[in-house]
Amino acid sequence: NAGVTQTPKFRILKIGQSMTLQCAQDMNHNYMYWYRQDPGMGLKLIYYSVGAGITDKGEVPNGYNVSRSTTEDFPLRLELAAPSQTSVYFCASTREIAYEQYFGPGTRLTVT
Amino acid sequence: AQTVTQSQPEMSVQEAETVTLSCTYDTSESDYYLFWYKQPPSRQMILVIRQEAYKQQNATENRFSVNFQKAAKSFSLKISDSQLGDAAMYFCAYRRSTDKLIFGTGTRLQVFP
Repeated sequence: NAGVTQTPKFRILKIGQSMTLQCAQDMNHNYMYWYRQDPGMGLKLIYYSVGAGITDKGEVPNGYNVSRSTTEDFPLRLELAAPSQTSVYFCASTREIAYEQYFGPGTRLTVT
Repeated sequence: AQTVTQSQPEMSVQEAETVTLSCTYDTSESDYYLFWYKQPPSRQMILVIRQEAYKQQNATENRFSVNFQKAAKSFSLKISDSQLGDAAMYFCAYRRSTDKLIFGTGTRLQVFP
């Protein structure tokens, strides 16, 4: 069981570039989440999914898009990178809403 | 809207001593869950302990225990016999039964030998 995996670990983008942060889980979890963590802050929810084909916005969705075509994968897309998107991004999953969320190792993104 | 407040940006404790991290939350719900997560320098988020609001008994996991005061909307974490490996950021988090996790801003815990 690899748990929740994220790629890449680090990335530097130029303003206006696009990229996709990959997230995969092998625990057959229905619920998946994307968070961002700014320096000295807690995690804020960007998008989440309750199952394949179903996604919804969290607290800070602007500038991001997601898709969920399979149970295992939940990629996060940045279309036009901005310096305000410099952050650490975490993907998480859970079996059921009441249970703990399992987090990936994070992706550190810098936009310059 | 639900909020989670951690009023201690930093705490320190001597090895083998006990420390308590504070957390308060604001909600009008009666059914919800509370969590403490640990984030070491590796950045990995690790669940420390969880509490269901409908349970009156405080959750305990080895050296970690909580003081859950539902009426006061308080959820503090007590770490007993502190170890050097306990040094990390600690985040309190809240979730309604059908909703998303809301995190506090964290408390950085330093452990001195």
